[in-house]
Amino acid sequence: GDSVTQMEGPVTLSEEAFLTINCTYTATGYPSLFWYVQYPGEGLQLLLKATKADDKGSNKGFEATYRKETTSFHLEKGSVQVSDSAVYFCALTQGGSEKLVFGKGTKLTVNP
Amino acid sequence: SQTIHQWPATLVQPVGSPLSLECTVEGTSNPNLYWYRQAAGRGLQLLFYSVGIGQISSEVPQNLSASRPQDRQFILSSKKLLLSDSGFYLCAWSIGFSDTQYFGPGTRLTVL
Repeated sequence: GDSVTQMEGPVTLSEEAFLTINCTYTATGYPSLFWYVQYPGEGLQLLLKATKADDKGSNKGFEATYRKETTSFHLEKGSVQVSDSAVYFCALTQGGSEKLVFGKGTKLTVNP
Repeated sequence: SQTIHQWPATLVQPVGSPLSLECTVEGTSNPNLYWYRQAAGRGLQLLFYSVGIGQISSEVPQNLSASRPQDRQFILSSKKLLLSDSGFYLCAWSIGFSDTQYFGPGTRLTVL
């Protein structure tokens, strides 16, 4: 079945550091890919998405590019802030499917 | 714009007691609705989804049930809670089986 693998956390960075959170997937067909963010005590918020190969999703300084050849959707940000501290989930869905398949999440802590 | 509400925000219940969690969506019609559970160390698990009033599909056999009495209302219930039912319950909606699901703020359930 379809699956998503994220890098193990937690990740701890200093403010203004560069962030990469790796995500790879296994899926038949051509899934849509997502990054969701969960701030402490809150629900999930959609951060960005990409629906086809070579698409780049971006939002709030975060970026991720849909790489079909490497089945990856790595999340990057050039300069993190303390307010970016949260848990980040990579996910996929196949067209016409009710299932959103999540990775296990990566906890990011940014220190001042 | 669309909004999704969940209540209560937190709940502490004894083992064997009943449960009712409610989710409502505003600003859209005939959404697909979903219940997820986020348990410690286990990621996000899809429990139920619904494509219309009275239509419920279960993903995981358990002592929980779901109902959709109105177009934009989704209820998660149990007759007798187990310790293993503790977790963070998230409701989500989407337009059909389109690719993006939007999540509510969640309910933190602790069963003692």
